[in-house]
Amino acid sequence: GEDVEQSLFLSVREGDSSVINCTYTDSSSTYLYWYKQEPGAGLQLLTYIFSNMDMKQDQRLTVLLNKKDKHLSLRIADTQTGDSAIYFCAEAPISDSWGKLQFGAGTQVVVTP
Amino acid sequence: DVKVTQSSRYLVKRTGEKVFLECVQDMDHENMFWYRQDPGLGLRLIYFSYDVKMKEKGDIPEGYSVSREKKERFSLILESASTNQTSMYLCASSLTRQGSYGYTFGSGTRLTVV
Repeated sequence: GEDVEQSLFLSVREGDSSVINCTYTDSSSTYLYWYKQEPGAGLQLLTYIFSNMDMKQDQRLTVLLNKKDKHLSLRIADTQTGDSAIYFCAEAPISDSWGKLQFGAGTQVVVTP
Repeated sequence: DVKVTQSSRYLVKRTGEKVFLECVQDMDHENMFWYRQDPGLGLRLIYFSYDVKMKEKGDIPEGYSVSREKKERFSLILESASTNQTSMYLCASSLTRQGSYGYTFGSGTRLTVV
């Protein structure tokens, strides 16, 4: 497909791990990003991974990249209520001559007590 | 930290009004973008700019125009507001054209057209 795809909704219990999945479009994308949007706010860059990496860990966040399948995932360990937000994945495709990012539609994560 | 500031968090305008949404960034970024965000539709790019006085149409430019007279400021203009332009508007900036550092977003302006 031509769109960056994400599932729209994820419900997780507090303390469990969350895994948010994303399929991107351009195998030559150099950078892939995860953004977080809290209610009523703009998007905040959470983390990014360079395309020559398979994994990146940053405290409770783990990003996994499978270039062969063009699959990106974000794992949040020990999910807290403050993690309730919309999470967007984005790619920087080489095919875009302007270097614009392509965003997925976002995954709404709801953390329940 | 880079800051992207949108002048209004909430706006209510009447149909037919000319509306200006202002965005200012303070870290000398080359690139600036305007998106609208609607439930179920994600982010849709309206216009972007890679230099002063330079603009390019995004995916949904109809009914909008932009102005970039100074590097730090990128304005979105709704020439004649309509109810279908009720939305959350997000401004973003990035350091380089390749976007390797990602975008920095403002807090958003929720516009209601009545």
